[in-house]
Amino acid sequence: DIVMTQSPDSLAVSLGGRATINCKSSQNIFYRSNSKNYLAWYQQKPGQPPQLLIYWASTRESGVPDRYSGSGSGTDFTLTISSLQAEDVAVYYCQQYYTSPITFGQGTRLEIK
Amino acid sequence: QVQLRESGPGLVKPSQTLSLTCTVSGDSISRVSTYWNWIRQPAGKGLEWVGRVFSNGITNYSPSLKSRLSISLDTSNNQFSLRLNSVTAADTAVYFCARDLGVTETLSWFDTWGQGILVTVSS
Repeated sequence: DIVMTQSPDSLAVSLGGRATINCKSSQNIFYRSNSKNYLAWYQQKPGQPPQLLIYWASTRESGVPDRYSGSGSGTDFTLTISSLQAEDVAVYYCQQYYTSPITFGQGTRLEIK
Repeated sequence: QVQLRESGPGLVKPSQTLSLTCTVSGDSISRVSTYWNWIRQPAGKGLEWVGRVFSNGITNYSPSLKSRLSISLDTSNNQFSLRLNSVTAADTAVYFCARDLGVTETLSWFDTWGQGILVTVSS
């Protein structure tokens, strides 16, 4: 199985500040034939299901604010939230869909400082 | 608007079978190339993919659960179901159903999720 490791486990950022969450896969999840990284990001608020933010490592899902951005390739990926808003408080997960079984990172808890 | 809703018993005894149903509205579970998934989350922990069923009935399961797991379609009711045998306390979790639009030929992301249902395994 591909192991997804997120860092940090938690972070606190000031309102209006920038949050950076990292995700590292135990093997390459870049598929050369289509030049795509098989990685998605989700946001989960308390008592709610996860919500898709980004797929293909950097493509925002429809309706997701442009303060959310994804980057990286191969084994190292980043989710960046610029200009943090109060509603961004949540746990964030990365997910690889390169190979079965699908696996998720352990989650990163984002709070307001 | 697509909606998924999980239903089933919230309490299952150890060694018995956990059975859940996901009712889909706003989409057809027979739609070509769509995968219907189960994902679970123990309290306070991360997400674990359980398995999925393709719109033609073909299934893929997590290797760690494969020997105890069955996922199937009920096209007449636009539902899909999960059955997990021989449960233990380790199977206690919130179970989510989720849609994968099959953008890739293999696996992809989950664009729509149910609200989740808590299943507790306890005597």
